[in-house]
Amino acid sequence: GIQVEQSPPDLILQEGANSTLRCNFSDSVNNLQWFHQNPWGQLINLFYIPSGTKQNGRLSATTVATERYSLLYISSSQTTDSGVYFCAVARLTGGGNKLTFGTGTQLKVEL
Amino acid sequence: GAGVSQSPSNKVTEKGKDVELRCDPISGHTALYWYRQSLGQGLEFLIYFQGNSAPDKSGLPSDRFSAERTGGSVSTLTIQRTQQEDSAVYLCASSLVTGRSFFGQGTRLTVV
Repeated sequence: GIQVEQSPPDLILQEGANSTLRCNFSDSVNNLQWFHQNPWGQLINLFYIPSGTKQNGRLSATTVATERYSLLYISSSQTTDSGVYFCAVARLTGGGNKLTFGTGTQLKVEL
Repeated sequence: GAGVSQSPSNKVTEKGKDVELRCDPISGHTALYWYRQSLGQGLEFLIYFQGNSAPDKSGLPSDRFSAERTGGSVSTLTIQRTQQEDSAVYLCASSLVTGRSFFGQGTRLTVV
């Protein structure tokens, strides 16, 4: 199956700092999503981005499908950004949007 | 509904008992997925429904696990004869055939 690697595994930021999270995947995909898991365990869908660039407020994401990686940018970080960020990918087969998740980046934003 | 709803939020059960977990997807979403999140294994796919059919059950860990979906809506995941290794957070997601997946808040299962 597809392998998904995320880096860094852990990240500590001062409030207001910027950061870039990376996701590498081992095969071509039709579907790539970024999620934020908050401290209560809820998985929030941030982006559906199989290719190209999208922005949503202080967050943006870029996927370069031909080179099999995606980047999530967090600008002007806030304490509420803390949590785990997951990249997940899928190939559109009989499994629909069956997602393979990376191991996540644990982010802590400090005052 | 407005979002994916799962119940119960927490379940503590004795080893050997059966449990049922429920998922109510977003209205109009034909695809429904069950995942499991545990400390050692991360987030793992269990089963995929398209309508009431399950074309992909490849992630179910053993024959003690089963799931059904009725009316193209609510799904139940049943674990028979629970074992301690079944302790995890069980997450349900729904989507259109392609595109974004939306997750419920999960059911935390503890087998004692």
